[in-house]
Amino acid sequence: AQRVTQPEKLLSVFKGAPVELKCNYSYSGSPELFWYVQYSRQRLQLLLRHISRESIKGFTADLNKGETSFHLKKPFAQEEDSAMYYCALSESQGGSEKLVFGKGTKLTVNP
Amino acid sequence: GAGVSQSPRYKVTKRGQDVALRCDPISGHVSLYWYRQALGQGPEFLTYFNYEAQQDKSGLPNDRFSAERPEGSISTLTIQRTEQRDSAMYRCASSSQLFGGTSGYTDTQYFGPGTRLTVL
Repeated sequence: AQRVTQPEKLLSVFKGAPVELKCNYSYSGSPELFWYVQYSRQRLQLLLRHISRESIKGFTADLNKGETSFHLKKPFAQEEDSAMYYCALSESQGGSEKLVFGKGTKLTVNP
Repeated sequence: GAGVSQSPRYKVTKRGQDVALRCDPISGHVSLYWYRQALGQGPEFLTYFNYEAQQDKSGLPNDRFSAERPEGSISTLTIQRTEQRDSAMYRCASSSQLFGGTSGYTDTQYFGPGTRLTVL
């Protein structure tokens, strides 16, 4: 079965430090991978997706099919990056676009 | 424009009661999804619709859970004879295209604020 693993439940860094949130997946086909973020008292929202190959709010993520990973990185963390981050995989079966989520990583950026 | 809305935002009910959770998607969005999120977990897929047709209900945990979207817009998730284990955040999302659309890729899902259900 398709699975998304985020090994770190909590991650704490200081402002200006690099940050990497890990995500590994298992999927038999060709996956679409996403990072969703939930800031305090806000709704879940898309941060970035691997097909766009963009940098959003300074974050990047590269799909590594050999290592089945999609780690989220930012070279210099900011306090406003503190949030809950979820890695997700699109599971396409006969048209279904349901997302399979990891358990999430809570990032805290300390001043 | 307005985003996805859900009501009620909070629902406290007693074990054995039925509850109905409502989702109002972004206007014109074709696809609508329901997810459930237990404490400390990520969202877990329940069911989804394209227009009014329920395409996949494989994530509904048992027959106490049902969902409908009769006119292809607003959707209701109903839980009958609630149990304490049903306590969770219920999230709705909508997206604008059918699978693939013209891009061949999964369209972005926009989430509502969620309904926090507590079963006593």
